[in-house]
Order: sequence, then C-alpha cells, then structure tokens
Amino acid sequence: QVQLVESGGGVVQPERSLRLSCAASEFAFTNYAMHWVRQAPGKGLEWVALISYDGSNKYYADSVKGRFTISRDTSKNTLYLQMNSLRADDTAVYYCARGQQPYSGGWHPLDYWGQGTLVTVSS
Amino acid sequence: QSALTQPASVSGSPGQSITISCTGTSSDVGRYNYVSWYQQHPGKAPKLMIYDVSDRPSGISIRFSGSKSGNTASLTISGLQAEDEADYYCSSYTSSSTWVFGGGTKLTVL
Repeated sequence: QVQLVESGGGVVQPERSLRLSCAASEFAFTNYAMHWVRQAPGKGLEWVALISYDGSNKYYADSVKGRFTISRDTSKNTLYLQMNSLRADDTAVYYCARGQQPYSGGWHPLDYWGQGTLVTVSS
Repeated sequence: QSALTQPASVSGSPGQSITISCTGTSSDVGRYNYVSWYQQHPGKAPKLMIYDVSDRPSGISIRFSGSKSGNTASLTISGLQAEDEADYYCSSYTSSSTWVFGGGTKLTVL
C-alpha cells in the first residue's frame, strides 16, 4: 500500500525557515509527480507546489513563489519543501500527495495523500 | 490563481441526491477535463473521489458521479448515506500548469 509520511513541522518565528520532508514507500517514487497541498486551521485546501516525476519541472502557487522550493531526492525516496521567509498566513497542515499516473508532468489528480504535518508561524 | 467557487454548504436526507457545483474560468475548469473531487472527513487527509471530470477511482461507490458544462463542474451524490457527511473540494488543472482548489462545501446528512 502506498505510504506518504510527512515530517519537519513545528513552531517557527516569522521570517525564519523550515524544511518539510515526505518519505514515500511502496511505490516507484522516481516515476511519479509529487505535490504539496496545505490547509490552514479551519480553512480549505490550497495547492502549494508540484514537481514532475524527473524533477525537471517545478510549479508554485503565487502565494509561495519565490519563498518556497520543492525538490526530491530519488536515492532517499523523499520529497522536500524548503520554506523561507515564513509568514503567519503560512500556518497550516502541509500534505504531500502523489500524482495519479506515472511519467506525468503534473496534470493528473492527487491519488494518495499523507496525514500531514502542522507548521505554525508565530512569534 | 483564484479559488474555484463552491457553495459553502449543502444538505440532504438519507436516500436523497445532492449536487455540488464548482465554478471556475476558461483558464481552468473550462479549458481542461482535469477536474477532480476530494472528500475530507474531520481530522483526516483528503480522499480522491472523482477525477478527469467523471471517472471514479477503484473502490469508490457508483453513488458518486461528476460532470462538467462550460466553466462549471458538478459532483452528484445519490442515495445519501450518513457516512457521506464530510467536506468536499473540487480541483482543476490550470493553464499555468498549476492546480487550484475550490473553497470547499460542507455536506450535512440530515
């Protein structure tokens, strides 16, 4: 069964940085596009970033562009989200999710999700 | 990247059918058949219910169906059951190669 386990969340001060990780298992990680999606407390889902299966293409929501960087390490089957210049409105549960089809550029839906990791930006 | 528009809430009695709308633009919903729907129970991760407008993943009940007309997609749940009570989100691929979600709809089963 596909497993995605996020880690790295916590409390961080405004303007500081944090790196989230998502450990993938039970599927061929190198073949799938991956996403980050976040959900502020009591709010809806917000798509954050996408990386293609081979890492050659990366796309971001306007709200995080220039501050967040998505990356992947195929040797560790791990997805990352480097978050810089954090703001209070970045407070959310961050989910990683898999694109449904292998070898996709990212237009396939998100079929497996992790349980999320909470990031709280507060002084 | 404006969020897709969904009603904040819908309700129905067990056995009835309900429809949730999702309105976007010609740059997302209207442009591609890459519309998907997710169900989220409190404290849980979202679950894919419908993809590519009207396809169901393996294991999803046929009570769930999707459609699209122009810039508006819809999710219909027939034969409502208590376990269907949850938040539902639509999502669409966009012309910027990004994804956008709707604001979410809270379904209450009366």
